[in-house]
Amino acid sequence: AQTVTQSQPEMSVQEAETVTLSCTYDTSENNYYLFWYKQPPSRQMILVIRQEAYKQQNATENRFSVNFQKAAKSFSLKISDSQLGDTAMYFCAFMPLVGKSTFGDGTTLTVKP
Amino acid sequence: DSGVTQTPKHLITATGQRVTLRCSPRSGDLSVYWYQQSLDQGLQFLIQYYNGEERAKGNILERFSAQQFPDLHSELNLSSLELGDSALYFCASGQGETQYFGPGTRLLVL
Repeated sequence: AQTVTQSQPEMSVQEAETVTLSCTYDTSENNYYLFWYKQPPSRQMILVIRQEAYKQQNATENRFSVNFQKAAKSFSLKISDSQLGDTAMYFCAFMPLVGKSTFGDGTTLTVKP
Repeated sequence: DSGVTQTPKHLITATGQRVTLRCSPRSGDLSVYWYQQSLDQGLQFLIQYYNGEERAKGNILERFSAQQFPDLHSELNLSSLELGDSALYFCASGQGETQYFGPGTRLLVL
């Protein structure tokens, strides 16, 4: 069974600064997908970024980028130029090609003005 | 707006009762996923359907069941409800591996 670990329950960052959220996972599969989702106080789950395991290039979406280390089974999210609207809980998720999805317990990020 | 709709938004019921949660996927999406999120916890995968057939199953209780209909909408049935079933239930849909989440149904069991 796959596991996803987010070792930082809470983090904070000053507005306009950069912050990195960590995520590690365990799997015996070679092909899979990794995601970061954001859950603001409204509790809506919003897709932030996606990474295919077979791609070596790290995914980037505007201010959001990942550092994907397949051998180390690490998938961290970097948020640049943090904004107040980035305040939310962030979930790392592992999704195999077939089978159940696994989410981490989340990291609560607070962006301070 | 993800394009995934869920009804009802809120549901308050009593222990022992049965409820049905409904999900309409995004246009063209064949897969529907159901998740449970208890207070201050992560998401627990319940079940996935693909084009009407069960594709993957998580830690779904025997008191819970789901199905996906020919028009691709899905229903999650929760029966013999207990206080611990109070949670936010999400539906997600997708065509590939990317899942787009609906706004959720907040269930409160009293």
